[in-house]
Amino acid sequence: GAVVSQHPSRVICKSGTSVKIECRSLDFQATTMFWYRQFPKQSLMLMATSNEGSKATYEQGVEKDKFLINHASLTLSTLTVTSAHPEDSSFYICSAQTRAEAFFGQGTRLTVV
Amino acid sequence: AQKITQTQPGMFVQEKEAVTLDCTYDTSDPSYGLFWYKQPSSGEMIFLIYQGSYDQQNATEGRYSLNFQKARKSANLVISASQLGDSAMYFCAMREGPMDSSYKLIFGSGTRLLVRP
Repeated sequence: GAVVSQHPSRVICKSGTSVKIECRSLDFQATTMFWYRQFPKQSLMLMATSNEGSKATYEQGVEKDKFLINHASLTLSTLTVTSAHPEDSSFYICSAQTRAEAFFGQGTRLTVV
Repeated sequence: AQKITQTQPGMFVQEKEAVTLDCTYDTSDPSYGLFWYKQPSSGEMIFLIYQGSYDQQNATEGRYSLNFQKARKSANLVISASQLGDSAMYFCAMREGPMDSSYKLIFGSGTRLLVRP
């Protein structure tokens, strides 16, 4: 089946630095990818929709200057958490979809210290 | 209003028994889809089963089956012959609108299932 690879799986960074998370669709082209955030023991909350070749669409309340999304090719979307702070610590997970199924990356656990 | 509701924050089941995880949804769109995902402690989201709003029969995938009651707007997941490895968080999700590759998924709050030996 289709696979989505997300990297890194874990990252610890200092407050004020930026962190880039990559999401790749390995065996299919994804014109659209999605980025979710999940706090401990909570559900997945959609942050933004990443569109290949155009600007991402952000959900209400998500700071687009804080969470930069780039979808430069049909197989790669990146999420950059800029000037990270401890409150940005969370589990970030991407997905890419076909018509019948949504495939998720392995997720990235971000800890900002 | 909640679009996807999972009313069971936690469930226990004895190994080898069946368990039903509840999910109700709210939409006015005639075209929608319902998904169930399993999330173990590692965090990955594992696709289990899908039911389209126009599907005539309830979806089944191995030990997983979906009890789809359209009039009641419920899509409960039934896991038969529970195994210890089924212990995980389970999320119900809904797609609204046409089935192309850009649909959004809306997730329920999840149910944590613990299988007892």
